[in-house]
Amino acid sequence: AQKITQTQPGMFVQEKEAVTLDCTYDTSDQSYGLFWYKQPSSGEMIFLIYQGSYDEQNATEGRYSLNFQKARKSANLVISASQLGDSAMYFCAMREPSGANSKLTFGKGITLSVRP
Amino acid sequence: EAGVAQSPRYKIIEKRQSVAFWCNPISGHATLYWYQQILGQGPKLLIQFQNNGVVDDSQLPKDRFSAERLKGVDSTLKIQPAKLEDSAVYLCASSLEPGLAEQFFGPGTRLTVL
Repeated sequence: AQKITQTQPGMFVQEKEAVTLDCTYDTSDQSYGLFWYKQPSSGEMIFLIYQGSYDEQNATEGRYSLNFQKARKSANLVISASQLGDSAMYFCAMREPSGANSKLTFGKGITLSVRP
Repeated sequence: EAGVAQSPRYKIIEKRQSVAFWCNPISGHATLYWYQQILGQGPKLLIQFQNNGVVDDSQLPKDRFSAERLKGVDSTLKIQPAKLEDSAVYLCASSLEPGLAEQFFGPGTRLTVL
């Protein structure tokens, strides 16, 4: 089974509107971390936001927030007030198990296009 | 603070040729990772170093791929001989320590095998 599932096709959003990018995960570990990365056309992976499995509150970083629903094993990224520069690939990733041997597993990504 | 540096940025080779990629992590970062990202997919971990020791190379095709991190700083990833399916972006990342810290990625090397 896939550990990280991102099934949305290419997403489009109007500038200044909010958009939600979906991510579901599969793990039997109790301690894990969830990440979202942005990859613009330049190719570099840019860290956006992190949610620990024991964090009770949803993570927020500026215009980014993570809608963490542990029972449903979902970790959706919400981008508020979209900007043209938000057009990029977005990857959800999970780190498990915890500790020195932890590994980051990425989903296939979602393409987001912001329309002016 | 300087980021993760990689070179070259682009490389085109014929199949069966050899190629090497170089990575310089963020200063002080003990953990270094090499990922392979095939077009349309997310990055896949090839190898993880802690200082100059290998922590995980379970997904490294060892018959043709090799990597080293001498002195626990810079790292090189080599492919010999290359196959068509090795065409991908090779990303290097580093973190202060494994497990807890965020990974910082370099710009990647885009390899095309003809």
